[in-house]
Amino acid sequence: VLMTQSPATLSVSPGERATLSCRASQSVGNNLGWYQQKPGLAPRLLIYGASTRATGVPARFSGSGSGTEFTLTITGLQSEDFAVYYCQHYNNWPRAFGPGTKVEIK
Amino acid sequence: EVQLVESGGGLVKPGGSLRLSCVVSGITFKDYGMNWVRQTPGKGLEWVSTITGSKNYIFYGESAKGRFTISRDNAKNSVYLQMNSLTADDTGVYYCARDHDMATIGYYWGQGTLVTVSS
Repeated sequence: VLMTQSPATLSVSPGERATLSCRASQSVGNNLGWYQQKPGLAPRLLIYGASTRATGVPARFSGSGSGTEFTLTITGLQSEDFAVYYCQHYNNWPRAFGPGTKVEIK
Repeated sequence: EVQLVESGGGLVKPGGSLRLSCVVSGITFKDYGMNWVRQTPGKGLEWVSTITGSKNYIFYGESAKGRFTISRDNAKNSVYLQMNSLTADDTGVYYCARDHDMATIGYYWGQGTLVTVSS
């Protein structure tokens, strides 16, 4: 399964909404996660099961989709949300990450 | 406190070998899958290998097949990655990650260990 993400870079003003897309080359059901990564740090799991927030993840992060099309929405972007976001499927082997979307300050 | 601590990275010549270790504390280890994920310079994340928690099933990404070996020691709460025949393309930060309680996706991550393959 190949994962793609769009856009590669998203310029957003603080307080606005960011919509990130992830596509799988074949169905992965809802076995899809989203990670946030900041420079020099390990990835942080935000969403698993396509739409379930991990413990401690703010409600402004929401995931949706199933099959091959997925979306991560961040409403009311805050300064700490500017980072790179990766999707990853865990439906079968091999696992695969998308190439990432960088959310930058507009 | 949850801790995953990787070690064993460093500078190695092309064709050489390294053994990475990851020690887990503060969370249950033996029942959960353990993953190695790498990040090459300026690039994204690449899944390398997984060893499952219950029956020790093992899976590798294409770049690792035939060269890397994953193993675990539940008595030591540790997972390992033996890497042989290293090339410059293997240069990067290697992370270990324990699966989430409810899904087979990495949730608890270490800080990473840097592997540099260069002559």
